[in-house]
Amino acid sequence: LAKTTQPISMDSYEGQEVNITCSHNNIATNDYITWYQQFPSQGPRFIIQGYKTKVTNEVASLFIPADRKSSTLSLPRVSLSDTAVYYCLLLGGYNKLIFGAGTRLAVHP
Amino acid sequence: EAQVTQNPRYLITVTGKKLTVTCSQNMNHEYMSWYRQDPGLGLRQIYYSMNVEVTDKGDVPEGYKVSRKEKRNFPLILESPSPNQTSLYFCASSFREGRETQYFGPGTRLLVL
Repeated sequence: LAKTTQPISMDSYEGQEVNITCSHNNIATNDYITWYQQFPSQGPRFIIQGYKTKVTNEVASLFIPADRKSSTLSLPRVSLSDTAVYYCLLLGGYNKLIFGAGTRLAVHP
Repeated sequence: EAQVTQNPRYLITVTGKKLTVTCSQNMNHEYMSWYRQDPGLGLRQIYYSMNVEVTDKGDVPEGYKVSRKEKRNFPLILESPSPNQTSLYFCASSFREGRETQYFGPGTRLLVL
């Protein structure tokens, strides 16, 4: 399974845009890039998934360059409630999920 | 309400005393899985199941057993718990495959003395 690398932690302030980058140099052709969000003492929650270019939903945007070796989760105008851990996963035809340690985002007033 | 439920939510036990953590989903999902979460290590998959009577090992299956006799239930069994199994456990389910949106339960916090 291809490995992902993301920053351990990030800090931001309310109202700012936050971009979290995930590196996945060995991404497979059939891998989809998927992001989950986890609040303390809760199970992870699906945020967004994409294969290439750009995907946007009501929560976030996902930018994927043509070579697909990295991806960027963009959270527009974060609030205190966006403080959480964000996980980048590669999901293809297999069914093992590897979450890794994720990126701990702290949003400050 | 569509949901994944786990019981118990909190459990304190002693080394060697067999225990079972139940997981149930009401969404008719085929795929179910168990994770443990430890500080600094993120979530690690223990076992997963593609359907009734079909289970497979995740990344950290040692010391755990699972069964899938019914589609809605996927219990996690610790036959002889040890202190290194103290952790926060999550059950999850999805419609058919691991790459689909996973719906997680509320978690079970286990302490093994």
